[in-house]
Amino acid sequence: DAEITQSPRHKITETGRQVTLACHQTWNHNNMFWYRQDLGHGLRLIHYSYGVHDTNKGEVSDGYSVSRSNTEDLPLTLESAASSQTSVYFCASSEGQLMNTEAFFGQGTRLTVV
Amino acid sequence: AQKVTQAQTEISVVEKEDVTLDCVYETRDTTYYLFWYKQPPSGELVFLIRRNSFDEQNEISGRYSWNFQKSTSSFNFTITASQVVDSAVYFCALRGGATNKLIFGTGTLLAVQP
Repeated sequence: DAEITQSPRHKITETGRQVTLACHQTWNHNNMFWYRQDLGHGLRLIHYSYGVHDTNKGEVSDGYSVSRSNTEDLPLTLESAASSQTSVYFCASSEGQLMNTEAFFGQGTRLTVV
Repeated sequence: AQKVTQAQTEISVVEKEDVTLDCVYETRDTTYYLFWYKQPPSGELVFLIRRNSFDEQNEISGRYSWNFQKSTSSFNFTITASQVVDSAVYFCALRGGATNKLIFGTGTLLAVQP
């Protein structure tokens, strides 16, 4: 069965370190998204991609970067981790440019920056 | 700009009560889609329903029903005869426009007491 997986599921890192969260989907979807979930803020969009070599900033992109070298993967990098980036991160994918397709989510990565 | 507002932060009901979760959205797009997702305590995000801006028919799926009203920019979700298993955070989301971004509300935590 097609799926979307995130790794690691849990990560503790120190302030200032570079951290990369992996997202891999086997749906062959063009669209991929990264969100962070924080109490009181719901899910906020960090970055998104419509296809290989395409990346776009979301509403909370500062301090994060992504790259899309193939269809299946959209890794999220925190260049210099900060305590404010402690959060649960969700990756999602959806098919093509169609607005009516739902997004499928990974199980989330809980990141703690100490 | 697009925005989704879920004014109810937390709702607590007793099993078998009916409960309505409110969702109000803002968009300048004429074509858009609305979604509801459920996040149970296990943390994954589960797609429940999508609705396009041209279809204002209400939808019923078992104990779940959705009321879409363009005149009030609302897409409310009702659970009839609630059960403990309905306890979760429920997110309303909007997707539309050229950017095709999926924007979420802040979520409503529903606690169903036995």
